[in-house]
Amino acid sequence: DGGITQSPKYLFRKEGQNVTLSCEQNLNHDAMYWYRQDPGQGLRLIYYSQIVNDFQKGDIAEGYSVSREKKESFPLTVTSAQKNPTAFYLCASTPSYGSEAFFGQGTRLTVV
Amino acid sequence: AQSVTQPDIHITVSEGASLELRCNYSYGATPYLFWYVQSPGQGLQLLLKYFSGDTLVQGIKGFEAEFKRSQSSFNLRKPSVHWSDAAEYFCAVGEGADGLTFGKGTHLIIQP
Repeated sequence: DGGITQSPKYLFRKEGQNVTLSCEQNLNHDAMYWYRQDPGQGLRLIYYSQIVNDFQKGDIAEGYSVSREKKESFPLTVTSAQKNPTAFYLCASTPSYGSEAFFGQGTRLTVV
Repeated sequence: AQSVTQPDIHITVSEGASLELRCNYSYGATPYLFWYVQSPGQGLQLLLKYFSGDTLVQGIKGFEAEFKRSQSSFNLRKPSVHWSDAAEYFCAVGEGADGLTFGKGTHLIIQP
């Protein structure tokens, strides 16, 4: 079945560490996105990529980095510069202009 | 800049009763509009979408939504809710491949 796979489902990070969240899609979608979800805040866009080897900052990119070396993969690194990284992270993709977004099941990151 | 407002943070409805969730948007042109549903700890599932044409759109799980340009609204409705409808509901607006803008969500509680 086609879809978006995020891993791991749960991730614990010590303060000062960088961690990388994985997002893989087999839908052959060009555009991919990372959103952060906090209680009562909805979803906020971190980074997005419309094509391989290119990506743009979203509304809350500080403290995060991404890469897009393959069409299928869009990993997100939460760096030590992110002051409040504990959140639920969602990866999504869209097939074309104006289309709906398809979401993965999310990764819950907790700083311990 | 585009924005989405969901005025109701929580809504409680009795099982079998009708439901309406409100969504207002701010956008420069006729937007692409979406409603998503999220169960706890899960990703988002598309309920329905409006791109153009008939202003009353039908979605999955018995949901429908009506686009009203004069009111900048896209309210979600269901004639009779089931206990399994308890979830978080998000309205979103977007165009192009630069991501969707989400409202903060409405938490739906179903009373037996």
